[in-house]
Amino acid sequence: DQQVKQNSPSLSVQEGRISILNCDYTNSMFDYFLWYKKYPAEGPTFLISISSIKDKNEDGRFTVFLNKSAKHLSLHIVPSQPGDSAVYFCAASASDNYGQNFVFGPGTRLSVLP
Amino acid sequence: NAGVTQTPKFRILKIGQSMTLQCTQDMNHNYMYWYRQDPGMGLKLIYYSVGAGITDKGEVPNGYNVSRSTTEDFPLRLELAAPSQTSVYFCASSTGEKLFFGSGTQLSVL
Repeated sequence: DQQVKQNSPSLSVQEGRISILNCDYTNSMFDYFLWYKKYPAEGPTFLISISSIKDKNEDGRFTVFLNKSAKHLSLHIVPSQPGDSAVYFCAASASDNYGQNFVFGPGTRLSVLP
Repeated sequence: NAGVTQTPKFRILKIGQSMTLQCTQDMNHNYMYWYRQDPGMGLKLIYYSVGAGITDKGEVPNGYNVSRSTTEDFPLRLELAAPSQTSVYFCASSTGEKLFFGSGTQLSVL
């Protein structure tokens, strides 16, 4: 029973265009969401997060959108750069279990083509 | 800044052997975690700790043990290695808001 889903295993985008990575969740108790980026042979690194009291959070080229009614969030990268090529993980946690349980999706491999 | 340090980076074990994956963090975080990542899968939580002396099971704890005698260290023990434990293992620490990961240990059990 996957509580956090990323239905696109891979995505290819041209350099300079927008990358949109999607994530769906099933547990309505989740109220904090994070995106992590992972390069080969490295650990995941934190990218951006959003609390359920917001519907958008922006940090430079990265924006995360949250649609609570649809239990859906997306990560937008504009403009995409070749260095953005990596695996992106969506993660979620519930504040009643804060700091104890981050649930991860299976990841989406993004390839940005020059 | 060291952050979260894991050793070893790679290891090959024979079925039935034992080993300890080491993890240490220098950020004074109370929360520490062990995850495993299998191909095409997300990160699955093995064990976690909310502070020295306190540990609890995650989603996939069978075949593993942990201890947390200090804030800095959170070793993961495999007692009788099985092929199903072939995976990449990540240690992480947290303030409660986001996770900081080590670079991982790639383990093969043959």
